[in-house]
Amino acid sequence: EVQLVESGGGLVQPGGSLRLSCAVSGFTVSTNYMSWVRQAPGKGLEWVSVIYSGGRTYFADSVEGRFTISRHNSKNTLYLQMNSLRAEDTAVYYCARGGDSLRYFDSWGQGTLVTVSS
Amino acid sequence: QSVLTQPPSVSGAPGQRVTISCTGSSSNIGAGYDVHWYQQLPGTAPKLLIYVNNNRPSGVPDRFSGSKSGTSASLAITGLQADDEADYYCQSFDSSLYSPVFGGGTQLTVL
Repeated sequence: EVQLVESGGGLVQPGGSLRLSCAVSGFTVSTNYMSWVRQAPGKGLEWVSVIYSGGRTYFADSVEGRFTISRHNSKNTLYLQMNSLRAEDTAVYYCARGGDSLRYFDSWGQGTLVTVSS
Repeated sequence: QSVLTQPPSVSGAPGQRVTISCTGSSSNIGAGYDVHWYQQLPGTAPKLLIYVNNNRPSGVPDRFSGSKSGTSASLAITGLQADDEADYYCQSFDSSLYSPVFGGGTQLTVL
């Protein structure tokens, strides 16, 4: 059974940092395209970042230069390092399989809430 | 402002048919990129509903169908049921942004 379990969310002050994790079971993270998608309170879905199976990474303009995506192959885990956080980064962050021009998001985690506030 | 445009809300009575439109442009749907649809029940994560324009994952009832033409796509739901009440999102890929893009979402209310 495929499972994606996010963790690491919480309350952080503006300018602070947070690292999200997504532990995956049922498939291998390193051989798949893996993304982070966020949803601000009461708003729609916004793609944040993707890491390709080959290791290339892409980011939404809104987080470019502040967020980093990575993976730990032996732990089969995806990460999102978020620095210089802003109030507008407040959202539920989902990890999902997919994220390039050909692939849809076919598996999603339950999400982890990040709140940026003083 | 979402790259793909959806109506904020639609509604229908049980048993009726509703459609949700998704309008893009020449850099996404019109460029030939596929459209996918997701259903998000209240308080839960999104779930893949339709992939590659008109395909249903295992377990999705055939009451749900998708279509694509030109720079737009549509999701049709027939035989509306109370548990279809959810937010629905379309998604494609944009060649100008070089990223996946979502519609703003449509809230379906079953009257």
